[in-house]
Amino acid sequence: QVQLQESGPGLVKPSETLSLTCTVSGGSISSYYWSWIRQPPGKGLEWIGYIYYSGSTNYNPSLKSRVTISVDTSKNQFSLKLSSVTAADTAVYYCARTNGYCSSTSCRGYMDVWGKGTTVTVSS
Amino acid sequence: DIQMTQSPSSVSASVGDRVTITCRASQGISSWLAWYQQKPGKAPKLLIYAASSLQSGVPSRFSGSGSGTDFTLTISSLQPEDFATYYCQQANSFPTFGPGTKVDIK
Repeated sequence: QVQLQESGPGLVKPSETLSLTCTVSGGSISSYYWSWIRQPPGKGLEWIGYIYYSGSTNYNPSLKSRVTISVDTSKNQFSLKLSSVTAADTAVYYCARTNGYCSSTSCRGYMDVWGKGTTVTVSS
Repeated sequence: DIQMTQSPSSVSASVGDRVTITCRASQGISSWLAWYQQKPGKAPKLLIYAASSLQSGVPSRFSGSGSGTDFTLTISSLQPEDFATYYCQQANSFPTFGPGTKVDIK
């Protein structure tokens, strides 16, 4: 069965760029949408954005100016970059398969496979 | 953005109880709604999608209903492994989640 694993630095300095990678195993990254979601300590879930294997993306409007999601189909990976981070970006970051259809105006899908999550702390 | 609210924010229940959680969308979302279960330190798990469709492998004691703006998740007979936090998520536009409902032991 498909499994997802997040990887990347657990500590990022304020104003720097957070970079995470999600590796998909047990299946192909093709034909699905893939999302990043985060959860600040003790709080709820926030969708960050999605990417299709073809490279099309869209992002949460509240984060759009700082987010880039990319895909490397040869490695079965997709990645997240979040620039100019502050303490408010401290969270557990999850990658997830999004089963459905996403476009430039909507993402009608459900996150049916999740990674275990990785904690990222923003601190000097 | 479509805002999601949930009630109650927490509920105390006993094994065997019937538990109902409500989710409301700030505008109509047809049946574009999912429910997730999250246990401490774990990733969320998809339980219900399209408001009432049971995800593969999820016990039949979980059920979902509703359309438009009002939705419910029902656990017909609470089991020890069901103590967790439950989130709704709308999929009518870009995904947004409810604030969560914590189900704990009475």
